Amino acid sequence: AQKITQTQPGMFVQEKEAVTLDCTYDTSDPSYGLFWYKQPSSGEMIFLIYQGSYDQQNATEGRYSLNFQKARKSANLVISASQLGDSAMYFCAMREGVSSGSARQLTFGSGTQLTVLP
Amino acid sequence: DTGVSQDPRHKITKRGQNVTFRCDPISEHNRLYWYRQTLGQGPEFLTYFQNEAQLEKSRLLSDRFSAERPKGSFSTLEIQRTEQGDSAMYLCASSFRDSHPYGYTFGSGTRLTVV
Repeated sequence: AQKITQTQPGMFVQEKEAVTLDCTYDTSDPSYGLFWYKQPSSGEMIFLIYQGSYDQQNATEGRYSLNFQKARKSANLVISASQLGDSAMYFCAMREGVSSGSARQLTFGSGTQLTVLP
Repeated sequence: DTGVSQDPRHKITKRGQNVTFRCDPISEHNRLYWYRQTLGQGPEFLTYFQNEAQLEKSRLLSDRFSAERPKGSFSTLEIQRTEQGDSAMYLCASSFRDSHPYGYTFGSGTRLTVV
């Protein structure tokens, strides 16, 4: 079974509007972390936001917020006030066993290509 | 601190040739990861080093692939007898063991094209 599912291959949003990128995950590990990365055409993976499975509040970082619904196993990324520079590929990722301090690798979804329209 | 550096940025090679990529992590990071990303997909884990020790390898890392991290600093990823299916972006990332869980930093990747 897919561990990370991103069902939106592509999304369009008008500049200055908000957009939600969907991510669902599957794990039996009670301790895990969820990440969102942005990948512009240059190729570098840019960290955006992190949510731990035991975090009580939804994570926020500037214009990025994570809508974490643990029971539904979803971790959607919300980008407010979209800018043209937000056009990029966005990946949701998970790391299991975070509380043990072990160096588990990230498992990525297939990504969502976001295009911001002027 | 200039981040994670990867060299070369692009590599075109003929099928059957050997190629080697280099990754220079952030200097104080003791963990180093290699990922492979094919077109339209997310990155997939290949292997991980803690200092100079290679502690985990994915089943994706066939016998033609080898990675090293001598002295726990830079790392190299070599692909022998390249095949067209090896065409992908190869990403390197580094982290520090005791940093917050989101302490991953990725490089810009090496894009390999096998013709």
